[in-house]
Amino acid sequence: GESVGLHLPTLSVQEGDNSIINCAYSNSASDYFIWYKQESGKGPQFIIDIRSNMDKRQGQRVTVLLNKTVKHLSLQIAATQPGDSAVYFCADSAPYDKVIFGPGTSLSVIP
Amino acid sequence: EAQVTQNPRYLITVTGKKLTVTCSQNMNHEYMSWYRQDPGLGLRQIYYSMNVEVTDKGDVPEGYKVSRKEKRNFPLILESPSPNQTSLYFCASSLSHRALAFFGQGTRLTVV
Repeated sequence: GESVGLHLPTLSVQEGDNSIINCAYSNSASDYFIWYKQESGKGPQFIIDIRSNMDKRQGQRVTVLLNKTVKHLSLQIAATQPGDSAVYFCADSAPYDKVIFGPGTSLSVIP
Repeated sequence: EAQVTQNPRYLITVTGKKLTVTCSQNMNHEYMSWYRQDPGLGLRQIYYSMNVEVTDKGDVPEGYKVSRKEKRNFPLILESPSPNQTSLYFCASSLSHRALAFFGQGTRLTVV
């Protein structure tokens, strides 16, 4: 079946630096993508989403980039803070199909 | 406050003893689902419900049951739990199956 996967299972960044978390998806029909953040002991929380008619979408300190040609999306976090330490999941879905979650990337922020 | 509430948060039980994990949402969402989360495997869908009285199997439904008698509640039932069902469980709700999901805080289940 189709799957969404992350390139790196763990990522460590210095506080204040920018973080980039990558995600590859395999279903070329996927047209909606979501990033979730899961802090320790909590359920996943929505961060930002993007539809396939866009290449980039910005939120507060976060930017999602979508490259449909290579089926890749990334989450960029500006000026990473200790509170950003969490596991980040990407998820994708195609019309009439369910959402598929990737395995997650653990982000650690070094003070 | 919009939320999905699961209970209990932690549960240790013995093999074969029936248990129910409750899930309730206050957002009037039609779509609800249950996931289990295991190290290295991410979130895997157990069951989902498109609306009241409409439920369907997800990717890993074996050993689980659900019901959707009311829109707000979607309990997960383990009739005869086994140790391989030891996991972290999440309930989620959303406007539709593709919309962004609101997750509960999770239920950590240990079956001994």
